[in-house]
Amino acid sequence: QQPVQSPQAVILREGEDAVINCSSSKALYSVHWYRQKHGEAPVFLMILLKGGEQKGHDKISASFNEKKQQSSLYLTASQLSYSGTYFCGTRLMDSNYQLIWGAGTKLIIKP
Amino acid sequence: EPEVTQTPSHQVTQMGQEVILRCVPISNHLYFYWYRQILGQKVEFLVSFYNNEISEKSEIFDDQFSVERPDGSNFTLKIRSTKLEDSAMYFCASSVGDGGFLDTQYFGPGTRLTVL
Repeated sequence: QQPVQSPQAVILREGEDAVINCSSSKALYSVHWYRQKHGEAPVFLMILLKGGEQKGHDKISASFNEKKQQSSLYLTASQLSYSGTYFCGTRLMDSNYQLIWGAGTKLIIKP
Repeated sequence: EPEVTQTPSHQVTQMGQEVILRCVPISNHLYFYWYRQILGQKVEFLVSFYNNEISEKSEIFDDQFSVERPDGSNFTLKIRSTKLEDSAMYFCASSVGDGGFLDTQYFGPGTRLTVL
């Protein structure tokens, strides 16, 4: 039931791009992306709804492929501030409000 | 900008003791949550709370755990008899709870619980 995130970790140089995936074996209604910096609380980034929509905020965008039950988070021209662990939280079609979280993808940006 | 607050930031307790973790959700939010994160691991859902009762709970949330909204602002998580494996960061979150799946959960800074 837990979504699978890939990769587990990625190391980038500042300015490079990254893609983080979140896949579910169950039908999803929405995918929520959060970023957590070390020792801090998760911070909400964006929600993707079923329907294959795409969203963006600055140089971070995401898409939701309903057919694959997969969401991808795209970080372009990465900045040092993007470092942290990215979690996807999934809300199932038959669920209430519970978010089921992936294991996280650790992103390290080097200058 | 309104935010979720949690106290204490760090709690150290002896195994078998009771602890109460406190949270003040965002004032117009109706849904409240507790999550747990063991060091270096993923965030785990414990319980959600709406209209003064538990809405959903996970397998982790056994009889040792309870939640309460003792007044109009606080939301508490009680662990009756702490075990070593309860050591973790506990996050409180809240959401508007407007019935839609766009409902966004906002997290507090967490309470680090250390059970000795």
